Amino acid sequence: AQSVAQPEDQVNVAEGNPLTVKCTYSVSGNPYLFWYVQYPNRGLQFLLKYITGDNLVKGSYGFEAEFNKSQTSFHLKKPSALVSDSALYFCAVRILDTGRRALTFGSGTRLQVQP
Amino acid sequence: EAQVTQNPRYLITVTGKKLTVTCSQNMNHEYMSWYRQDPGLGLRQIYYSMNVEVTDKGDVPEGYKVSRKEKRNFPLILESPSPNQTSLYFCASSVRLITDTQYFGPGTRLTVL
Repeated sequence: AQSVAQPEDQVNVAEGNPLTVKCTYSVSGNPYLFWYVQYPNRGLQFLLKYITGDNLVKGSYGFEAEFNKSQTSFHLKKPSALVSDSALYFCAVRILDTGRRALTFGSGTRLQVQP
Repeated sequence: EAQVTQNPRYLITVTGKKLTVTCSQNMNHEYMSWYRQDPGLGLRQIYYSMNVEVTDKGDVPEGYKVSRKEKRNFPLILESPSPNQTSLYFCASSVRLITDTQYFGPGTRLTVL
């Protein structure tokens, strides 16, 4: 069965510092990988996705993520954090090689950026 | 404005009283789905629909029903709610495929007493 793990419940970083939010996945086929962000009292918003091609994916608000097949990871990164980046971040995966048309989400990582 | 709307946004009910949470999108999307969000568990998919009259179970379908009679609407029905269905519910839609960007509604916070 496909699964995705976000090993950190919370990440704290100072404004201006680089940030990383970790995601690892477990699949038996080729994955589609996504990052979504949830601001307080809001629905999720799409940040970026990896389908195929270049392993480094650039997304909204200056975020990027690198697909690493050997480490089965898809960590979210940003060179310089902003206080406004503070939110709940979700990694999600869909496996291409199954007929199941569903996304599996991680448990979420709360990012806190201190001024 | 392109959006996914859900109603109601907040609902407190009692065990066994049937309820419906509506979801509507104005983007002509084919794919729609329902998720529930619980602390520490992330989002879990309840049901999804590839198009009108085509629905399928997600990871946690027990106790829920859906219908897709029109492209824009995808209501979630709880025939006999129980306290373990207390959760935050999100509806989402995408153009056609699960790999397309999903657009989420604002959420419905349901409490079953």
